[in-house]
Amino acid sequence: GAVVSQHPSWVICKSGTSVKIECRSLDFQATTMFWYRQFPKQSLMLMATSNEGSKATYEQGVEKDKFLINHASLTLSTLTVTSAHPEDSSFYICSARDEAFGYTQYFGPGTRLTVL
Amino acid sequence: RKEVEQDPGPFNVPEGATVAFNCTYSNSASQSFFWYRQDCRKEPKLLMSVYSSGNEDGRFTAQLNRASQYISLLIRDSKLSDSATYLCVVNERGSTLGRLYFGRGTQLTVWP
Repeated sequence: GAVVSQHPSWVICKSGTSVKIECRSLDFQATTMFWYRQFPKQSLMLMATSNEGSKATYEQGVEKDKFLINHASLTLSTLTVTSAHPEDSSFYICSARDEAFGYTQYFGPGTRLTVL
Repeated sequence: RKEVEQDPGPFNVPEGATVAFNCTYSNSASQSFFWYRQDCRKEPKLLMSVYSSGNEDGRFTAQLNRASQYISLLIRDSKLSDSATYLCVVNERGSTLGRLYFGRGTQLTVWP
């Protein structure tokens, strides 16, 4: 199957700092990528849909000024958590849709963020 | 009301057992259905798609009942390596964004 990478795999930062997470589709082009967040023992919650060359679409309750998304190319989307706080600590997972295979989404390995 | 509901379990079964997971979804317009597997602290991985006629992949059998908006996964001859959380996932094909809705997942532990 298609491969999606994320970087970094984990990060620890101080409260108030910003953290950037990269999501790359390695062997296919993805017009659309998705960003999810997962708290312990909870389901994945969609935060936003990232569209190449246009603004991201955010889910209700997700602050677009806090979670900045940039999808500058067909293989890269970035999520920047600005002014991170301890409650932002979570598992952030991106996915990319391989349009050659319909609606199948492939997930990145996730980024575990811990804000002290 | 959640889009996708699953029994969170946990299910604890011995090796070789048969175990079944159920899932219901609320949007009758949903068109695509999947089971994903998620290991602890890892990303979800596609286990299998679910088709209207039902489908089988080795020890795994998936069923879909559109009238009842119900999806199931049957695992036969459980292996230790089957221990994971199984996520029921639904896609609304009407959405061009291809949005997936995830259930909370059902945790399975297979013991020797």
